[in-house]
Amino acid sequence: GAVVSQHPSRVICKSGTSVKIECRSLDFQATTMFWYRQFPKQSLMLMATSNEGSKATYEQGVEKDKFLINHASLTLSTLTVTSAHPEDSSFYICSARGAGRENQPQHFGDGTRLSIL
Amino acid sequence: GQNIDQPTEMTATEGAIVQINCTYQTSGFNGLFWYQQHAGEAPTFLSYNVLDGLEEKGRFSSFLSRSKGYSYLLLKELQMKDSASYLCAALDSNYQLIWGAGTKLIIKP
Repeated sequence: GAVVSQHPSRVICKSGTSVKIECRSLDFQATTMFWYRQFPKQSLMLMATSNEGSKATYEQGVEKDKFLINHASLTLSTLTVTSAHPEDSSFYICSARGAGRENQPQHFGDGTRLSIL
Repeated sequence: GQNIDQPTEMTATEGAIVQINCTYQTSGFNGLFWYQQHAGEAPTFLSYNVLDGLEEKGRFSSFLSRSKGYSYLLLKELQMKDSASYLCAALDSNYQLIWGAGTKLIIKP
């Protein structure tokens, strides 16, 4: 089945640091990738949708200048949390979908647990 | 607006059957997904329904009624490893997934 790799799985860093998370589709071309955030005991919250080669579409309330998304190739999207603060500590999960597969399940990475001290 | 409703938490006994309900209101509809999410892990796909009726996959089955905006996930022969959150998500007319808050299922011996 389709595999999505997300790296790193865990990050612990100081406040003010920028953190980059990578999401790769290993065996299919991911024309669309989704970035989610999940706080403890809460549901998945979609942050942004990125399509290869174009700017990401951010959900209301998500700062695009703080959460930089790049989807430069059909197999890689990155999320950079700039100048991270403790309130950005969360579980970040990416998922990917191929072209013409809008009604197919999104394939999720294993998630990145971000802890800002 | 668009909305997904599912119970916050359910408790069941090992070996028993449990049904997790989900109602949805979306702008258009292109199918409904169920995902399983263990604590601290990413969701994993369980099922997809777009036509009315029951889809069976081993111990798990999923049902859809489009006219009622209703789905359920049925888990049989419950095992301790089934303790997890179960997420209902509907695909709207723009093929955007609208997620429910998830149902935490607690299995007791």
